[in-house]
Amino acid sequence: GQNIDQPTEMTATEGAIVQINCTYQTSGFNGLFWYQQHAGEAPTFLSYNVLDGLEEKGRFSSFLSRSKGYSYLLLKELQMKDSASYLCAVRSGNTGKLIFGQGTTLQVKP
Amino acid sequence: GAVVSQHPSWVICKSGTSVKIECRSLDFQATTMFWYRQFPKQSLMLMATSNEGSKATYEQGVEKDKFLINHASLTLSTLTVTSAHPEDSSFYICSASGPGSYNSPLHFGNGTRLTVT
Repeated sequence: GQNIDQPTEMTATEGAIVQINCTYQTSGFNGLFWYQQHAGEAPTFLSYNVLDGLEEKGRFSSFLSRSKGYSYLLLKELQMKDSASYLCAVRSGNTGKLIFGQGTTLQVKP
Repeated sequence: GAVVSQHPSWVICKSGTSVKIECRSLDFQATTMFWYRQFPKQSLMLMATSNEGSKATYEQGVEKDKFLINHASLTLSTLTVTSAHPEDSSFYICSASGPGSYNSPLHFGNGTRLTVT
């Protein structure tokens, strides 16, 4: 089966940097995705890793280590609007479906 | 970019009635659509995968006779919650992918908030 773990809640200060970790166990790994979800809204795509290493997109970066089954999402220069849930999702095989972790609720404080 | 439209955004229905939710891909052919359910303060749980022109594949624990999925065209999939009960109240979200895009990120509809009274 598949297992995806991420912290339930995190708190950080506006302007700071925060790292949200995700560990996973799956067969036929075919990519790891990070999504942001504000309360009552659908998830929006942030980043995607299929090979080891760091992917940078503006204030957001995501890292993947396939051998360790580990990823993290790094958010820089935190803004109040970054308060949201961050979902780690793993794709296995080539069906395209994503299995989501339980999500990390990030609260950004002034 | 890929746009997925979901309708309705919210619906309130009485216990025992059926509700249909539509998911449309607006600018691409969605060969595969996925239906998720999300309860408050929980993550997205995959309910089923539907491929155009074939029967949906349901995840373990999801009743296929209760959650009817139809994917009759490359741009439309529907989820019908039959004989809805209060415990079916949830946020239902669809997503879609096109041919050869299984390595691309999924794009989601805006979701449907279902409340069963």
